Amino acid sequence: DGGITQSPKYLFRKEGQNVTLSCEQNLNHDAMYWYRQDPGQGLRLIYYSQIVNDFQKGDIAEGYSVSREKKESFPLTVTSAQKNPTAFYLCASRAQETQYFGPGTRLLVL
Amino acid sequence: GESVGLHLPTLSVQEGDNSIINCAYSNSASDYFIWYKQESGKGPQFIIDIRSNMDKRQGQRVTVLLNKTVKHLSLQIAATQPGDSAVYFCAENTYRGTSYGKLTFGQGTILTVHP
Repeated sequence: DGGITQSPKYLFRKEGQNVTLSCEQNLNHDAMYWYRQDPGQGLRLIYYSQIVNDFQKGDIAEGYSVSREKKESFPLTVTSAQKNPTAFYLCASRAQETQYFGPGTRLLVL
Repeated sequence: GESVGLHLPTLSVQEGDNSIINCAYSNSASDYFIWYKQESGKGPQFIIDIRSNMDKRQGQRVTVLLNKTVKHLSLQIAATQPGDSAVYFCAENTYRGTSYGKLTFGQGTILTVHP
């Protein structure tokens, strides 16, 4: 897991609720990424940020939002607009071409 | 869009055997490839990488081979151990405009090592 931490490990969301997943890194990496992983599928990119105060939509951004106010932090909010949020969420940061991942957060819907 | 895929979804081997996990890619412009290992409930762990100007790269007990002619990538694990049991997936990176730093991932191969 290197210097990337994600919290919480498990998160429960009620209907209509927004929840925020935390991602912190102490690797001094500029670029950070959020992925969603569903059983039997490859990682899908939600959002990414190449530098502080800038971020771009990935392939499945609908129903999610992010911010990048600090280099170390890239929180992901799963909004009520995301109708199928149950998944394993992975945060990564990049050094040159290689992305390194955090331990993940499993989001479940109550 | 172009994608990275795997030939075999599952692989079972005996402890001590060598394992070979395969990956096919379709984007001939891909410049860089990575293999990750993911244990159950954990984040992917970097294993080894290779650039498109190389054919082979070796690490500790692992070797990655790249065949650009047939767009094929393989991960070889020597003397496979029970601790190697995990999902292995490859990823490609294409340096092209806004795609810089974006990886495309395969679905993964489940490796099971029997004692």
